[in-house]
Amino acid sequence: NAGVTQTPKFQVLKTGQSMTLQCAQDMNHEYMSWYRQDPGMGLRLIHYSVGAGITDQGEVPNGYNVSRSTTEDFPLRLLSAAPSQTSVYFCASTSRTDYSWGAEQYFGPGTRLTVT
Amino acid sequence: GENVEQHPSTLSVQEGDSAVIKCTYSDSASNYFPWYKQELGKRPQLIIDIRSNVGEKKDQRIAVTLNKTAKHFSLHITETQPEDSAVYFCAASMSSSASKIIFGSGTRLSIRP
Repeated sequence: NAGVTQTPKFQVLKTGQSMTLQCAQDMNHEYMSWYRQDPGMGLRLIHYSVGAGITDQGEVPNGYNVSRSTTEDFPLRLLSAAPSQTSVYFCASTSRTDYSWGAEQYFGPGTRLTVT
Repeated sequence: GENVEQHPSTLSVQEGDSAVIKCTYSDSASNYFPWYKQELGKRPQLIIDIRSNVGEKKDQRIAVTLNKTAKHFSLHITETQPEDSAVYFCAASMSSSASKIIFGSGTRLSIRP
């Protein structure tokens, strides 16, 4: 299994450009999430999904869109990039065997995005 | 919504000594508390987790304690080694929304030789 994969690894955008960060997992996990990581601010949840066709907002959703058409893929779209979106973006997936509790999140390798 | 606070933001300990990182959470409905370790340039990885139906869990040199009444939990690393140097994150989630995991701001742990 490749686990959670993300593309691209690095990206530079100009202000106002749009782009899609790709995330895929081959573990048949139900749950997927997107985080951004900024120095001193930890991992902040952008959007998450509990299954195909179902998405919800996290802590910092503004400026980002997501969709979940398949179990495997969970792309993150930046509609009009701003310098404040310069960050490292992590995708993660989770499988639950016991619905009473949370479970381990498996993270992708991250995408480092710079907006100039 | 849930808010997780983590302290300290940086921690330096002598090799062989113990390290303690503390977190508090705001939502009493949270019932799952994982800890992740992130080495420089790498992705976060789970090192230990605890459910709200237990007060303590150990795994070799790592232990986590949970006080539901006070809504705080802590990570304890004993006999620290150079490879323990990393950023550590605590997190919290609820069973009703297990995909919505809220993280603390992280603690950069440095082990002095």
